Amino acid sequence: DTAVSQTPKYLVTQMGNDKSIKCEQNLGHDTMYWYKQDSKKFLKIMFSYNNKELIINETVPNRFSPKSPDKAHLNLHINSLELGDSAVYFCASSQDPSGPQHFGDGTRLSIL
Amino acid sequence: AQSVTQLDSQVPVFEEAPVELRCNYSSSVSVYLFWYVQYPNQGLQLLLKYLSGSTLVKGINGFEAEFNKSQTSFHLRKPSVHISDTAEYFCAVNNNNDMRFGAGTRLTVKP
Repeated sequence: DTAVSQTPKYLVTQMGNDKSIKCEQNLGHDTMYWYKQDSKKFLKIMFSYNNKELIINETVPNRFSPKSPDKAHLNLHINSLELGDSAVYFCASSQDPSGPQHFGDGTRLSIL
Repeated sequence: AQSVTQLDSQVPVFEEAPVELRCNYSSSVSVYLFWYVQYPNQGLQLLLKYLSGSTLVKGINGFEAEFNKSQTSFHLRKPSVHISDTAEYFCAVNNNNDMRFGAGTRLTVKP
């Protein structure tokens, strides 16, 4: 069984649309994360949630909003999509705040 | 704030040759260090981690890394690489949920 699963794997949409990416983990971890990987493979953390509480929010536009209905899910909503949002978005989870994180396979978002 | 520098963006090697991927970090507090591998169109997979204890850490797929506090380094090594090791490798430092990644090193193993 996949430990961290994201859907969809690919998302192609037009500028200005609103979209969501879902993430679920079955590891029983307390913390979940969203990362953005740009075309140069650089990984940047966007958000992390611990027991439904936002811990880290880097300088991410407020068009991006994480939503966690429960400990096993952390969805990413994006409003008014822009060309610069094209990237691969990774969900991850961890049990220990300073321990390893387990990653999903990514969602490749392409804005037309 | 902590940061990670991977000194080589690309490392080409021949099959069965040894390889070292370099990583230096900066942090004002105790750190926990990781190496991840990313195969094409996949997520990141943990290769190995240093949390405490022995400075020589062994990971999966025959990789190992050595934590050197005085040189603030955590270089990744493998004595003999395979074609299947071709991938992107990321060094990372974590302090209380703040995981910072290096820019990645593209390892290409040639026959």
